[in-house]
Amino acid sequence: ETGVTQTPRHLVMGMTNKKSLKCEQHLGHNAMYWYKQSAKKPLELMFVYNFKEQTENNSVPSRFSPECPNSSHLFLHLHTLQPEDSALYLCASSATEQGGEAFFGQGTRLTVV
Amino acid sequence: ELKVEQNPLFLSMQEGKNYTIYCNYSTTSDRLYWYRQDPGKSLESLFVLLSNGAVKQEGRLMASLDTKARLSTLHITAAVHDLSATYFCAVKEYNNNDMRFGAGTRLTVKP
Repeated sequence: ETGVTQTPRHLVMGMTNKKSLKCEQHLGHNAMYWYKQSAKKPLELMFVYNFKEQTENNSVPSRFSPECPNSSHLFLHLHTLQPEDSALYLCASSATEQGGEAFFGQGTRLTVV
Repeated sequence: ELKVEQNPLFLSMQEGKNYTIYCNYSTTSDRLYWYRQDPGKSLESLFVLLSNGAVKQEGRLMASLDTKARLSTLHITAAVHDLSATYFCAVKEYNNNDMRFGAGTRLTVKP
């Protein structure tokens, strides 16, 4: 375990469903990230939060909605997804000090049917 | 936008051989990271390189950083099967927490 926990690990949802992915870190980090990893593309940075403020929205469709209620928790709310959104969604956290390396959760394998 | 390029994307090598993976990036940065990903697993941090000329070694892997050339290398010495995995480099821009990844190098070490 890296100190970053994601739930659920697997999720199958229909295109009309609404679901949320959860990420939790207890490393004392001040930055949290959502990445999308699919077979056809490299790791894509979706959202970045620094001290609970969103600093990056990498042209992500509005059907993905992030929420960062505090520095330890990060959510990704999903609604009306498309089959091409099926991928592994990875959460990570980092500190701006101490080298700033990112620690990753185990990911949520999302399948949209 | 920061671009990170890795090559090769696929690497098949025999046990006992040496090889180098290259990582180029497009903007000023002095923070570069190497990760390993096994199939079906998440990313595991290997090296953190924070200054020009930095060199880190762990077992059969050695990473280096040349910030002037905007280039990092991951050198594999006397490869063994256990090193088979996908290796990613990642870069944070100067004064920015965004971490962007290269496409990854899928390494297969054959007996």
